[in-house]
Amino acid sequence: EAQVTQNPRYLITVTGKKLTVTCSQNMNHEYMSWYRQDPGLGLRQIYYSMNVEVTDKGDVPEGYKVSRKEKRNFPLILESPSPNQTSLYFCASSYFSGGGNTGELFFGEGSRLTVL
Amino acid sequence: DAKTTQPTSMDCAEGRAANLPCNHSTISGNEYVYWYRQIHSQGPQYIIHGLKNNETNEMASLIITEDRKSSTLILPHATLRDTAVYYCIVRDYNFGNEKLTFGTGTRLTIIP
Repeated sequence: EAQVTQNPRYLITVTGKKLTVTCSQNMNHEYMSWYRQDPGLGLRQIYYSMNVEVTDKGDVPEGYKVSRKEKRNFPLILESPSPNQTSLYFCASSYFSGGGNTGELFFGEGSRLTVL
Repeated sequence: DAKTTQPTSMDCAEGRAANLPCNHSTISGNEYVYWYRQIHSQGPQYIIHGLKNNETNEMASLIITEDRKSSTLILPHATLRDTAVYYCIVRDYNFGNEKLTFGTGTRLTIIP
């Protein structure tokens, strides 16, 4: 089954304790991206990756890091989490649009992070 | 800056057609229009996309104006399960800027 898998789904942590949210897709997609969702602010892009070893900042990259060492994985790293990073996080992946592909984004189920 | 604008919320009676507008006045010739929806706090789900022609699939229809500056998503016979937040985005198919902006979408409520 084609899917994007995020872990953990729920996490409560404390300020300053490094954490990683993993994202894995099994569709051989080139493009992967992370979003955060906060009440009243919609979905905001944190980082995206066009392919292995190619990453770039989205609209709200501060406080986050990413890596793309393998095509299927795109972990989101919070080196020193703060309470303002409490949010619902989504990972997404797709082929690029064009070339016969729809460019449809596939989203994970979300990871709800609370930083105390 | 948001590349699309949508109304914050809309209501629609069950069984009627729901028409959700989206303005994308700065769309470029290389950009598709995509629609997604999000039910509760689940991951957004793809609905439909188009470039300049009207499109229809099993879920919805997409009407894009001739100048491509706006579009309308049509759910022909809305059910209670269509209550969700609907997002309209534009995406460059020439593998250009992949900084995709979703915005806040339209919260559609289907009224029984």
